[in-house]
Amino acid sequence: ETGVTQTPRHLVMGMTNKKSLKCEQHLGHNAMYWYKQSAKKPLELMFVYNFKEQTENNSVPSRFSPECPNSSHLFLHLHTLQPEDSALYLCASSPSGQGAVEQYFGPGTRLTVT
Amino acid sequence: GESVGLHLPTLSVQEGDNSIINCAYSNSASDYFIWYKQESGKGPQFIIDIRSNMDKRQGQRVTVLLNKTVKHLSLQIAATQPGDSAVYFCAENRGYGQNFVFGPGTRLSVLP
Repeated sequence: ETGVTQTPRHLVMGMTNKKSLKCEQHLGHNAMYWYKQSAKKPLELMFVYNFKEQTENNSVPSRFSPECPNSSHLFLHLHTLQPEDSALYLCASSPSGQGAVEQYFGPGTRLTVT
Repeated sequence: GESVGLHLPTLSVQEGDNSIINCAYSNSASDYFIWYKQESGKGPQFIIDIRSNMDKRQGQRVTVLLNKTVKHLSLQIAATQPGDSAVYFCAENRGYGQNFVFGPGTRLSVLP
């Protein structure tokens, strides 16, 4: 176990649904990340949070809405998704304020949009 | 219709042999590199990292080599074991913040 947990592990949703993905880290880190891993592209960074503040938004469509209430929790709110949004969504965390360092990944949420 | 997936290079090695996985990176300003291993049903797991002021770094059974001249990174796994079967990704940090760019990955299959 990496100390990063994600729920749910699998999610099937229709295009009109609203759902949320949850990530929790138990490592005392202050930076958290959302990544998308699809069959068609390499791992893509979506959002970065440092000390609860969003510091990166990698041109992600507004149908994905992140929320970071504290340094241990990160959410990804989903609404009116498209079938091409089906992918593995990975959360990661790392220490903050030390430049580039390794990131610890959760197991991911496998999302299927029907 | 059927979607076309990302074509991953595949490396097949005999158990006990050494494995070499290669990665080309694009940005000469990248100064920090990581190799990750991703097993089926799991997230990427850190293996080893290297900064641009080094050209070689060794860990337990793994070695990373960095050639900045040709922008090439390699991961060497000694005495490959069945548990090494996974997809291996290189990631480069382009010198700012925590924004890593990941390669497409290589699938390593260890044959008995």
